Parts: sequence; C-alpha cells; structure tokens
Amino acid sequence: TQLLEQSPQFLSIQEGENLTVYCNSSSVFSSLQWYRQEPGEGPVLLVTVVTGGEVKKLKRLTFQFGDARKDSSLHITAAQPGDTGLYLCASLIQGAQKLVFGQGTRLTINP
Amino acid sequence: EAQVTQNPRYLITVTGKKLTVTCSQNMNHEYMSWYRQDPGLGLRQIYYSMNVEVTDKGDVPEGYKVSRKEKRNFPLILESPSPNQTSLYFCASSHRPGTGYTGELFFGEGSRLTVL
Repeated sequence: TQLLEQSPQFLSIQEGENLTVYCNSSSVFSSLQWYRQEPGEGPVLLVTVVTGGEVKKLKRLTFQFGDARKDSSLHITAAQPGDTGLYLCASLIQGAQKLVFGQGTRLTINP
Repeated sequence: EAQVTQNPRYLITVTGKKLTVTCSQNMNHEYMSWYRQDPGLGLRQIYYSMNVEVTDKGDVPEGYKVSRKEKRNFPLILESPSPNQTSLYFCASSHRPGTGYTGELFFGEGSRLTVL
C-alpha cells in the first residue's frame, strides 16, 4: 500500500498551459516536500511545507498544503519545456525519522 | 560545491559477482541513505545511517550491505547480485534528524545497475 498517492502519474501538455498535480494520503503529514527529478539526475528539493493551509510560491510554481495536512498540490502556471521532469512528493514519518516518497508524476511539456 | 558523489554511474555485471557502489558527501551530514528507484514503485529506502558506525535497514534491505566507517562515505555492497537488483540507485544525505528536522535530502546523480 502506497502511503503517498500522487496523481496523475503521467501528464503531457503544451507549453503555456497551466496544470496541477496532487499528493494525497490517509495519514497526517508532519511536513511535506516536493522534489523534481530530471532525466539522468537525482531528485532536487523544491519546497518544504509544514503548516496546514500553507501556500508557497517558487516563480511559476505554487505549492499548497491542505488544511488538515493530509494532502498537497503543485500548480504550474504557463508551463515551459524546462518544467519537464518527474515530480515527487515526500513526507517524513514521525518517530521513524524516515522520508517516504510518492510514486511521482511524470510531466512532459511540449514546445 | 556541496554535493553527493556516487560511483560508478553505470555498471553492467553478472549474477553473483560482488560489487560496491561508493557514495561520498562533502556537507558534513550525519545522515546518509540509499534508495532504489524502479518504474511504478518510486523511491524505496534500502539502508540508512544516522552517524558513523550506526546503520539500519530500510524497506528493502535484502541482498544489500552497507558500512559507515567515515562520516563522508556510505558504500552500498551487493555481495551476490541477482537480476532483481537491476535498478537505479541513489545515495542521499542530510543533517541529523532531530528537533525541527523536516527531512530535506540531498541526492547523488544516481547509479544505474544492470545485473545479467
């Protein structure tokens, strides 16, 4: 059973469109991270959200943490080919000091 | 430059031939971990280490060994590789978990291993 469910698994859109990807769990997160992984590279941290309802912006990327801290979303405005990659959400399991990852959303932005 | 370095980046080997994937970090991180990444299964933790001489099993430790003799190095050892260990492997490091720790990990570039 996947602790973190990401949707969609695959998304292919045209440059300039907007998109949202989701990360959900039946458990409450103490914190949640979003990573981006490009082909041939390791994941790189984009953002950490900690507080329920928190919204963080990183240029055209907007990250939201659900009020109940059981879900998160990543919204990209005016997507560009450079946004192509695998987007992973990850959550820290309290007490276990371990990061658990979702399966990822593979995003392709077509020129 | 702060980084996690893995070697080799690519390796093709045969069943049963022992191999070691090295991992080194230059950020003075206490915590280091190995993950494998497989299609449809995401990143799964193999082993982790909270500090020198302290290691523990992750979710999929079978067939792997690790050691942590120095703070900066955390090699992954496959004593007798099998085809089901064909995968993309990542080493990662972070500061030691503790109060306020949120788990941010720094990853290496990955090692793609094929076992024939």
